[in-house]
Amino acid sequence: KAGVTQTPRYLIKTRGQQVTLSCSPISGHRSVSWYQQTPGQGLQFLFEYFSETQRNKGNFPGRFSGRQFSNSRSEMNVSTLELGDSALYLCASSLVQGGDNEQFFGPGTRLTVL
Amino acid sequence: GDSVTQMEGPVTLSEEAFLTINCTYTATGYPSLFWYVQYPGEGLQLLLKATKADDKGSNKGFEATYRKETTSFHLEKGSVQVSDSAVYFCALSRNTGGFKTIFGAGTRLFVKA
Repeated sequence: KAGVTQTPRYLIKTRGQQVTLSCSPISGHRSVSWYQQTPGQGLQFLFEYFSETQRNKGNFPGRFSGRQFSNSRSEMNVSTLELGDSALYLCASSLVQGGDNEQFFGPGTRLTVL
Repeated sequence: GDSVTQMEGPVTLSEEAFLTINCTYTATGYPSLFWYVQYPGEGLQLLLKATKADDKGSNKGFEATYRKETTSFHLEKGSVQVSDSAVYFCALSRNTGGFKTIFGAGTRLFVKA
């Protein structure tokens, strides 16, 4: 079974631009979560989608948004990029069974904002 | 709100040494607890999990026991190998009408031959 895939793997943008990252979950997984990983802040939860609905959201500004499609693929968008948005963005998918949330992570998209 | 605190690293050990990485949590209700590992240049992968009090998760020689009385989930391994060098993340997850997973800051482990 194919794992979680994220595209692109690397991105370089300049301040003020916007960016869209894509995540394809493991087949059959309906929950997709996004995280931002930085050396200073560690892994921070952005949002979780299930069946095209955002169910949970972290403490990030409205510049960060996402969506999920009917095939469970998800995108996240960051508008008006700031230098501090430089990070590794991780997507994780989950089967969401049994009450826990074992997540399977993709390799991440490394975003550099210049 | 929910939070996870784990010991700061880096932790440097010699091969075959005993490993403990402390993790404590704050959460309402009964979260599930996880340890994830991130090897150099790779994404995170689940190492072990426990979903209720007194459960012991184990995998690849690593163990952790869900202690509700001390709100802890310490990671242990009896004999580490060089290949265990990685960053280890403790995490909790609760179903609040959707899942939100909170991670600790991560502990980098270096194992010397």
